[in-house]
Amino acid sequence: DTGVSQDPRHKITKRGQNVTFRCDPISEHNRLYWYRQTLGQGPEFLTYFQNEAQLEKSRLLSDRFSAERPKGSFSTLEIQRTEQGDSAMYLCASSFGTGDEQYFGPGTRLTVT
Amino acid sequence: GQNIDQPTEMTATEGAIVQINCTYQTSGFNGLFWYQQHAGEAPTFLSYNVLDGLEEKGRFSSFLSRSKGYSYLLLKELQMKDSASYLCAVVLRGGGNKLTFGTGTQLKVEL
Repeated sequence: DTGVSQDPRHKITKRGQNVTFRCDPISEHNRLYWYRQTLGQGPEFLTYFQNEAQLEKSRLLSDRFSAERPKGSFSTLEIQRTEQGDSAMYLCASSFGTGDEQYFGPGTRLTVT
Repeated sequence: GQNIDQPTEMTATEGAIVQINCTYQTSGFNGLFWYQQHAGEAPTFLSYNVLDGLEEKGRFSSFLSRSKGYSYLLLKELQMKDSASYLCAVVLRGGGNKLTFGTGTQLKVEL
């Protein structure tokens, strides 16, 4: 247990539905990252926050994806109108600052049917 | 763009030593991380190299050559529990410390 938690751990949804995932980082960490990982691949960066500010979004993050970190603590990642290609493991990570290791949560596995 | 290459799979024997290589072509390189990931679990931190040279941490060591765009992870006295995917990830200057991962090397340790 790294101290980063994610909820839910598994989500099965039908195509076209909206889903929301939550990440609770280590409390003193001001940076929070979202990654997506498909089978046999390394994680791919989606977006990151420093405190409550979203500082960068990957081109992978289409306008169906939105992320928030309203009080600089937990974060949510919402996917609207899910597609089968969204099926993946969504990983959250947090770190204290630049150059520090990122601690990953256990991930949310999304299956879109 | 960025390119990070690792072998897809490796097999080694319990008790032996294995070296997992990672080559990268990036602009604005700042440092390189190695993570271990067991199937169905989150990646866990192994090492971070910024300067050239070897960093040793117990049974695991990591080496970096910035001029050659090359790193390796050395695992000694292999144990069955070391069977996992090993991910190298680069960090770029000004990139907010986001990680750009290779595809990972799946290591299988056999008796």
